[in-house]
Amino acid sequence: AQSVTQLDSHVSVSEGTPVLLRCNYSSSYSPSLFWYVQHPNKGLQLLLKYTSAATLVKGINGFEAEFKKSETSFHLTKPSAHMSDAAEYFCVVSGPPRLQGGKLIFGQGTELSVKP
Amino acid sequence: NAGVTQTPKFRVLKTGQSMTLLCAQDMNHEYMYWYRQDPGMGLRLIHYSVGEGTTAKGEVPDGYNVSRLKKQNFLLGLESAAPSQTSVYFCASSYSRVRLAGARTLTGETQYFGPGTRLLVL
Repeated sequence: AQSVTQLDSHVSVSEGTPVLLRCNYSSSYSPSLFWYVQHPNKGLQLLLKYTSAATLVKGINGFEAEFKKSETSFHLTKPSAHMSDAAEYFCVVSGPPRLQGGKLIFGQGTELSVKP
Repeated sequence: NAGVTQTPKFRVLKTGQSMTLLCAQDMNHEYMYWYRQDPGMGLRLIHYSVGEGTTAKGEVPDGYNVSRLKKQNFLLGLESAAPSQTSVYFCASSYSRVRLAGARTLTGETQYFGPGTRLLVL
């Protein structure tokens, strides 16, 4: 079975400091992994995705994530937080292969607050 | 392209009323999905469709029905609304292409989400 655990429900940083949002996954096959962002009262936007190519994945808005198979982790980082980064972030793993419709399994979300 | 659109944006229902949420996509995607989002629970899959005329149950299908009569549309119906169905509903779509990496078969095509429908059941 596949599952995703986001280790922090809320993270608070100061503007200009690094961001680290932690995600561990469990999968019985080689998954694809995603990070989505949701700004208040908005839909979900894809930040980045990993699909077995390079283990360090670069996304939009300066975010990146590193796939570590030995640690079953896919943590999201950004060197310097901006006020506009305040949002909820979801770590997502793809479901079983094509026979089951490529379903996504979502973590519970991490709310990122950025202080001036 | 408009991407994925949802109608309506917001709705208030009384317990026992029925309604249909409409999702439309103009990207020629084969797969479409309905999720609900509740505080602290991420998004949970209600139903999904891998092609026109086909639907399947997701994680939390009870109390909902769906139809995919046209490739571009995916309808979510509530026959008799209950307060437990108060939520934000998101529709998503994706390609169906499966990519091979060595001996492994991967999905992982990006899902594109609509803006959501807020539903309040009193």
